Amino acid sequence: EAGVAQSPRYKIIEKRQSVAFWCNPISGHATLYWYQQILGQGPKLLIQFQNNGVVDDSQLPKDRFSAERLKGVDSTLKIQPAKLEDSAVYLCASSLGLGFGGGLVKETQYFGPGTRLLVL
Amino acid sequence: GQQLNQSPQSMFIQEGEDVSMNCTSSSIFNTWLWYKQDPGEGPVLLIALYKAGELTSNGRLTAQFGITRKDSFLNISASIPSDVGIYFCAGRQGAQKLVFGQGTRLTINP
Repeated sequence: EAGVAQSPRYKIIEKRQSVAFWCNPISGHATLYWYQQILGQGPKLLIQFQNNGVVDDSQLPKDRFSAERLKGVDSTLKIQPAKLEDSAVYLCASSLGLGFGGGLVKETQYFGPGTRLLVL
Repeated sequence: GQQLNQSPQSMFIQEGEDVSMNCTSSSIFNTWLWYKQDPGEGPVLLIALYKAGELTSNGRLTAQFGITRKDSFLNISASIPSDVGIYFCAGRQGAQKLVFGQGTRLTINP
């Protein structure tokens, strides 16, 4: 079974430029997550989709970050304009999406390899 | 927001030694997860815990869900070179988002 695919793997841009990342989740997974992982820290959730709807984007800096999952499969995350502090690894993860009816969630999130962004 | 304090931040051990790390929270969680991240890769789930007091093993790894529901522990027995990496704890309340610790970087001297 193919895992979560992300591209590009690496990106170097200058501040104030824009950048986009792409994620293809595991086939059949309804839930898709974008995380930001700053060097030396654990991943932090930016946005969670259930099919093509947003479940949680409370930690997404909406003045510069945007994400979409138009057909409920692939997703793109965009930063415009980028700042120095956006340098991080951007991880995409997916899960089946069956366990969010309330109460305990026992779904496993499968992570992609990440996109390493360096803003100069 | 919710905070997870993971310790130690780094460990340098000899091959064959046992390893212990822990994670504490300011909030009660009903799910504790332990992940391992290798360089250039995303985190991979090692162990999931869903009940206070639960003790679960996965090969040489054993993790426990603390009785207070505010902490969790991971032990690795008889470490081998492939155990090198960064270990993250993560906690969740109900269906809320996962909150990750800062990670424990494990280095093994052969």
